[in-house]
Amino acid sequence: AQSVTQLGSHVSVSEGALVLLRCNYSSSVPPYLFWYVQYPNQGLQLLLKYTSAATLVKGINGFEAEFKKSETSFHLTKPSAHMSDAAEYFCAVSEFSTGFQKLVFGTGTRLLVSP
Amino acid sequence: DVKVTQSSRYLVKRTGEKVFLECVQDMDHENMFWYRQDPGLGLRLIYFSYDVKMKEKGDIPEGYSVSREKKERFSLILESASTNQTSMYLCASSPGTSGRGETQYFGPGTRLLVL
Repeated sequence: AQSVTQLGSHVSVSEGALVLLRCNYSSSVPPYLFWYVQYPNQGLQLLLKYTSAATLVKGINGFEAEFKKSETSFHLTKPSAHMSDAAEYFCAVSEFSTGFQKLVFGTGTRLLVSP
Repeated sequence: DVKVTQSSRYLVKRTGEKVFLECVQDMDHENMFWYRQDPGLGLRLIYFSYDVKMKEKGDIPEGYSVSREKKERFSLILESASTNQTSMYLCASSPGTSGRGETQYFGPGTRLLVL
């Protein structure tokens, strides 16, 4: 079964600093990987996804992630944090089960941005 | 834009009550999903449906049932609510026609408190 590990339940950065949120996956097949963001009191919104095309994936709001097969990683980065980036971020891997795609989510990382 | 709506943002119920959580999507998606979200555990799949009247158990189906009588509507039922079902419940949908790498679109969530 596929799985996702997100290192660090909380990450704190200063406004303007680099954001790095870590995600490692386990998959027996070439993975499809996702990053979702959840703002307070809202549902999840897709930030970006990797579907075996370019290894560097650009998403919304200036975020990007790089797929590294050798490291089984899909870390999320943003060069300069903004206060509005404060949210919870979830990494997910797709899993095919009984012919249908499901997503397996990590436990999430809460990003705190200080002025 | 895809829109997934959930009938209630907040719900307070008593132990033993039967609880219905409703989800509606407006994009003619084939697949619909119910997750629960708990701090430190991320999102866990309860049930999903790939067609009207069809359902599959997810990772934590115990204590829950679902109903999908119409394509756009997917209901989660707690037959006899218990305090350990206090959680945030998220509904999602996906096209079901794009194969692997499909995006799931989420509703805003229902925060359920069982007393």
